[in-house]
Amino acid sequence: DQQVKQNSPSLSVQEGRISILNCDYTNSMFDYFLWYKKYPAEGPTFLISISSIKDKNEDGRFTVFLNKSAKHLSLHIVPSQPGDSAVYFCAARSGSTLGRLYFGRGTQLTVWP
Amino acid sequence: NAGVMQNPRHLVRRRGQEARLRCSPMKGHSHVYWYRQLPEEGLKFMVYLQKENIIDESGMPKERFSAEFPKEGPSILRIQQVVRGDSAAYFCASSANRGNTEAFFGQGTRLTVV
Repeated sequence: DQQVKQNSPSLSVQEGRISILNCDYTNSMFDYFLWYKKYPAEGPTFLISISSIKDKNEDGRFTVFLNKSAKHLSLHIVPSQPGDSAVYFCAARSGSTLGRLYFGRGTQLTVWP
Repeated sequence: NAGVMQNPRHLVRRRGQEARLRCSPMKGHSHVYWYRQLPEEGLKFMVYLQKENIIDESGMPKERFSAEFPKEGPSILRIQQVVRGDSAAYFCASSANRGNTEAFFGQGTRLTVV
């Protein structure tokens, strides 16, 4: 039961441009969303999050947008840098099952010079 | 990832053997979560523990898998009689609160069953 979906397995962007990573979810009970970044052979690193009561959260070059009616969120990285090349995971939490995160399958972002 | 320690980083077991994966949470964190990542997949929740208690084990296979988080010492994920399908990366995360709004992950244990 893939409740969090990242339909693009990969994304390639030129350095300096905007990277937009997308995520869709099916469970209307999700109340908190997170993005994690993962390098090979390392654990996921928390990047940015957003509560369902908001529609935007910004932290430096990273902005997450939430569209609850469409059950869609996106992560914008601008400007993109080669060091941003990694796998990005979207995750969600349900208020009814605190503690458990539901992850998408990830999007491999490659930023080329 | 700083602070959540998992060991070993790599573990090779023959079919039928037992695998023990350890996780020491960040200092001050009493909530531990185990996830498994199969090749080309996202992380799948397995179990959520708080000191000496299993809070949610709904993602844990019913047989051969067990987890504990004793009062003293690390959390242990135990897999008995391993099979090839258990080969995966196992990640542990910890948080200071039950809401898991900021869970920090360890570097994972890569289990290979031969």
